[in-house]
Amino acid sequence: KAGVTQTPRYLIKTRGQQVTLSCSPISGHRSVSWYQQTPGQGLQFLFEYFSETQRNKGNFPGRFSGRQFSNSRSEMNVSTLELGDSALYLCASSTGQVPYTFGSGTRLTVV
Amino acid sequence: AQSVTQLGSHVSVSEGALVLLRCNYSSSVPPYLFWYVQYPNQGLQLLLKYTSAATLVKGINGFEAEFKKSETSFHLTKPSAHMSDAAEYFCAVTPGNDYKLSFGAGTTVTVRA
Repeated sequence: KAGVTQTPRYLIKTRGQQVTLSCSPISGHRSVSWYQQTPGQGLQFLFEYFSETQRNKGNFPGRFSGRQFSNSRSEMNVSTLELGDSALYLCASSTGQVPYTFGSGTRLTVV
Repeated sequence: AQSVTQLGSHVSVSEGALVLLRCNYSSSVPPYLFWYVQYPNQGLQLLLKYTSAATLVKGINGFEAEFKKSETSFHLTKPSAHMSDAAEYFCAVTPGNDYKLSFGAGTTVTVRA
């Protein structure tokens, strides 16, 4: 059974640009969550989608957005990148209930 | 609101010694609790979970944790450390069956030969 797949694994962007990260959940999982991991702030919840509907959102500015497609794949977008957006972005999937299975993450570096 | 406190950002143990990682939580409703492990440049791997069943939870790789409501704790233990246990460990809580996890700051474990 394939795990949670995140692409790309590494990304370098320039300040002011935008970026889109992708997450393919485990087959049959309809919930996808996104987390940001930084050395200073640790692991912080961004948002969660279930069957294309956002059910919960963390305390991040509007530059961070996401969506989920009918096949449960999810994307998150960050616009007008800032240096502080450099982080490991983790995606997790579940059937809609705990526990959550995490992907290997996308390492975003903003220069 | 829920939160997690992990006591000790770094723990160093000798190979074969007991591993004890401390986690205290706060939650306004009965919580679901988790321990995850993260190896360098990887995502989070679930070690074990507490979802209101047995208070002593056994996980993978010989780890176990005990839910103590009176102490609001969910400490992780392993009787005998192995070199492969060197990693960062995160305790997480979600209230009931919520849609988001609140994580502790993490504890880095190093294992001495």
